[in-house]
Amino acid sequence: RKEVEQDPGPFNVPEGATVAFNCTYSNSASQSFFWYRQDCRKEPKLLMSVYSSGNEDGRFTAQLNRASQYISLLIRDSKLSDSATYLCVVKGRGSYIPTFGRGTSLIVHP
Amino acid sequence: DTAVSQTPKYLVTQMGNDKSIKCEQNLGHDTMYWYKQDSKKFLKIMFSYNNKELIINETVPNRFSPKSPDKAHLNLHINSLELGDSAVYFCASSQYNSGTGDYGQYFGPGTRLTVT
Repeated sequence: RKEVEQDPGPFNVPEGATVAFNCTYSNSASQSFFWYRQDCRKEPKLLMSVYSSGNEDGRFTAQLNRASQYISLLIRDSKLSDSATYLCVVKGRGSYIPTFGRGTSLIVHP
Repeated sequence: DTAVSQTPKYLVTQMGNDKSIKCEQNLGHDTMYWYKQDSKKFLKIMFSYNNKELIINETVPNRFSPKSPDKAHLNLHINSLELGDSAVYFCASSQYNSGTGDYGQYFGPGTRLTVT
């Protein structure tokens, strides 16, 4: 099993749709969790951290399920500008080395 | 005001040459990284450098060497370039506080290396 797994997609959704991505991780000692977005030919940018209690930032909601070892990202009211690759990142406690998933591609169409 | 900067943005060179990519961060972070993103878009960590501790991904050829003159800089030297080294190389930085936790990484804009 890969350390961090994501469905590569692409997820093709109309504007205004709600879309959710999951990411599973294999190391039960993982401590820090993040979602990044990467636009074509650009660098990855931190979208949000994922906290144990779940957290929301505008249209974006991130959740962590430690028992099942996955994190999720929910995007409500999708915009064309949300089209990007979404990367899941996991780190162990005290570790400087993050593990990136391969990313999930989202395409939002008019 | 760029947080993490890299130079050059594009680098085209021939096989066998030696080249360097520079990275600087002005965020005051204590850890810096180099990543390689190949044509399949997979982001692979190459090095992590924290307070003079270097953690190397063992799959990285020893033709690649990081050099950190100070905490704000982590340069990447590549000797005897090969065709397979063609990729986008990203520098990143982060800060981990044992009390408040981990706030994620900030990436530079990338250096697109083409080896001919």
